[in-house]
Amino acid sequence: EAEVAQSPRYKITEKSQAVAFWCDPISGHATLYWYRQILGQGPELLVQFQDESVVDDSQLPKDRFSAERLKGVDSTLKIQPAELGDSAMYLCASSLGRGGTTYGYTFGSGTRLTVV
Amino acid sequence: AQSVSQHNHHVILSEAASLELGCNYSYGGTVNLFWYVQYPGQHLQLLLKYFSGDPLVKGIKGFEAEFIKSKFSFNLRKPSVQWSDTAEYFCAVNAAGGATNKLIFGTGTLLAVQP
Repeated sequence: EAEVAQSPRYKITEKSQAVAFWCDPISGHATLYWYRQILGQGPELLVQFQDESVVDDSQLPKDRFSAERLKGVDSTLKIQPAELGDSAMYLCASSLGRGGTTYGYTFGSGTRLTVV
Repeated sequence: AQSVSQHNHHVILSEAASLELGCNYSYGGTVNLFWYVQYPGQHLQLLLKYFSGDPLVKGIKGFEAEFIKSKFSFNLRKPSVQWSDTAEYFCAVNAAGGATNKLIFGTGTLLAVQP
């Protein structure tokens, strides 16, 4: 079964340092999502890509977070500088569908970030 | 704005007991509804989904959910739980035909099944 690959699985970083996460979606999936899941809460969308374009980044803290999907395949989410409140699980998901249609989402295993 | 409420934060059941987890959503338009499960140390997996048609949806592992439009609800049920059902369960919704496929998640329900 095809999977969404994420790395690293765990990351510990010091406050004010830069950190980056990588996601490789299922081959052929046009849409890629980054979600953040704070302990005790449900995942919240940070950014959505359709191919290489950002469709929704309304919840992305743009002063410190950035995301790119340059060739419309894999994606990188960066935080600079990291803050204590950024400690969370960062989930990547991909979907075959494009905007306006609905298909199933496949989630990766996530990157658990701890900021100390 | 869309929102999802899961009223049960923690549920503890004995094996063979019946399960019902509540989910209510807030949105004025047509929605797609989902239940996801996250087993300890694993990624989110889709249990079942509702797009249209029969409001009683059957998913994997004996789970089912009923969409009641008048109540804005999509409760998850299982007649007899097993120890292996111990996990966190998330209800999610997105706007059908919307410009994005953004999922709005509830806060989750942690289910512990005692053998």
